[in-house]
Amino acid sequence: GENVEQHPSTLSVQEGDSAVIKCTYSDSASNYFPWYKQELGKRPQLIIDIRSNVGEKKDQRIAVTLNKTAKHFSLHITETQPEDSAVYFCAARKYNFNKFYFGSGTKLNVKP
Amino acid sequence: DSGVTQTPKHLITATGQRVTLRCSPRSGDLSVYWYQQSLDQGLQFLIQYYNGEERAKGNILERFSAQQFPDLHSELNLSSLELGDSALYFCASSVEGTSGTDTQYFGPGTRLTVL
Repeated sequence: GENVEQHPSTLSVQEGDSAVIKCTYSDSASNYFPWYKQELGKRPQLIIDIRSNVGEKKDQRIAVTLNKTAKHFSLHITETQPEDSAVYFCAARKYNFNKFYFGSGTKLNVKP
Repeated sequence: DSGVTQTPKHLITATGQRVTLRCSPRSGDLSVYWYQQSLDQGLQFLIQYYNGEERAKGNILERFSAQQFPDLHSELNLSSLELGDSALYFCASSVEGTSGTDTQYFGPGTRLTVL
């Protein structure tokens, strides 16, 4: 099956700086890569996703890049704010298979 | 609000007991997933149902079982509960079309505490 690895496990940045979280996957057939933000005790919320026919997607301060050759994808948050502090999970899924494979999560702390 | 509902929000019970968690997917979604998240841990996939049938199984214990009913709501049954079963249990749903790229939306979760 698929194996998704996520780094770093914790990330501390100063408010206004950028944050980058990276994930690698093992199955080249994976074609859908969502990112979730989870605040303490709350549900994971989809913040951005990318499909394998696209190399980059941006939504305001958040962007995701995908390198299919290297089998890795990254979440980029610019101009970080304290409310960006949360745990971020990446996931991968392949066509016609049903399981989402999640990374182990990155705890982002944005210091004011 | 994702449109996925879960009940109850909190559940406190004793070891050895049995509980049932309920999930209603978003309108139009045929697929339901169950996840377990222990304290400070990642999301562990338990099981997936599509239109009433089991589709995929993850690390689900034999003491746990699930089903999806004709109205598409799903229930996760946890029996012979142990202290280690204390966790947040999330349900998620998706449309489950043919592209494999359907977005998955999570419910608010049920926090289970086993004493």
